[in-house]
Amino acid sequence: KAGVTQTPRYLIKTRGQQVTLSCSPISGHRSVSWYQQTPGQGLQFLFEYFSETQRNKGNFPGRFSGRQFSNSRSEMNVSTLELGDSALYLCASSLESLGYEQYFGPGTRLTVT
Amino acid sequence: SQQGEEDPQALSIQEGENATMNCSYKTSINNLQWYRQNSGRGLVHLILIRSNEREKHSGRLRVTLDTSKKSSSLLITASRAADTASYFCATENSNYQLIWGAGTKLIIKP
Repeated sequence: KAGVTQTPRYLIKTRGQQVTLSCSPISGHRSVSWYQQTPGQGLQFLFEYFSETQRNKGNFPGRFSGRQFSNSRSEMNVSTLELGDSALYLCASSLESLGYEQYFGPGTRLTVT
Repeated sequence: SQQGEEDPQALSIQEGENATMNCSYKTSINNLQWYRQNSGRGLVHLILIRSNEREKHSGRLRVTLDTSKKSSSLLITASRAADTASYFCATENSNYQLIWGAGTKLIIKP
């Protein structure tokens, strides 16, 4: 089985711009979740999608949003980028929920200048 | 912050020795998972222990869970150079969110 893929792998954006990150889960996995990882805050849960519905959301501002398509692929969008949004964004998929083993993609390294 | 806490923050041991790292959390949980992250393989799931379990083994890994103390430990026996990585615990709370610890950086010296 192919693993979780994320595109792009690296991205440089300017403050105020918006960005869309993409994630393709493992075939058959219905739950897709997103995380932000920074040296200062560690790994923080952004949101989880299941069957095209956002099932859970972490404590992030409304500038962070996402969606899931019928084929389980997911996108994450960050609008009005701030310097503090520079981070590694990780996507993970699992069979059913966060209570199952999470399979992580390699991440998208976002740098905001 | 909702993060769990792990200790130690960093651990350096000789190859062949055992490594123990601990994770504490704040609220009741459904399950607790341990993950490893290194630059080569990214974030990889190691083991999941449910709230009604007390101990679980997987190869050289042994995980214990004490829900009364809200803590878990991960033991890696007979460490190898390839075990050099950061280790994270993640707890699924009653709101079905996954809360992560800050991680323990493990260095195995040859």
